[in-house]
Amino acid sequence: GEDVEQSLFLSVREGDSSVINCTYTDSSSTYLYWYKQEPGAGLQLLTYIFSNMDMKQDQRLTVLLNKKDKHLSLRIADTQTGDSAIYFCAERGGYSTLTFGKGTMLLVSP
Amino acid sequence: EAGVVQSPRYKIIEKKQPVAFWCNPISGHNTLYWYLQNLGQGPELLIRYENEEAVDDSQLPKDRFSAERLKGVDSTLKIQPAELGDSAVYLCASSPDDQRNEQFFGPGTRLTVL
Repeated sequence: GEDVEQSLFLSVREGDSSVINCTYTDSSSTYLYWYKQEPGAGLQLLTYIFSNMDMKQDQRLTVLLNKKDKHLSLRIADTQTGDSAIYFCAERGGYSTLTFGKGTMLLVSP
Repeated sequence: EAGVVQSPRYKIIEKKQPVAFWCNPISGHNTLYWYLQNLGQGPELLIRYENEEAVDDSQLPKDRFSAERLKGVDSTLKIQPAELGDSAVYLCASSPDDQRNEQFFGPGTRLTVL
């Protein structure tokens, strides 16, 4: 079955870059997504990448996709304390179903 | 534009009691999803609707869970009877009809079963 793996925790200092990594198993994934969840809130879509791309940049966010290794990463430049949250990687498999990882908790210290 | 609305935000019940959650998706979004999110986990799909039709309910525990979306807009998710293990956050999401499948999530209902 489909599976998405993420590291559970990342701690960085304000102003540094953060890199959150994700691996997935479904080679037929068409889109891959990064969602952000703040405490007590639902998930907010940050960015997505189509499977025939290897990089996408959106302001402070850079997504890298290595389709051969089934590896996805999210880089946040100039990380701010407001970026502290849980970040979920998700893949879109068959029938438009999303499979989510367990989330990476990002803690940004001043 | 209003986002996905869910109510209640919090619910505390005793085991064996029934409970219902309500979701109003973003206007114009034909696809609606109910997800279960356990503590420390990512969301897991329970059921997906295309308009009023449930097109994927394979992960819905049908012995105690039911859902409906009668007019293809609002949806309710019901648990009867609730068990201790049902304590979790129930998330509703909706998406427009496009290939990107960008899903917009509501804030969720946090259920505590005592």
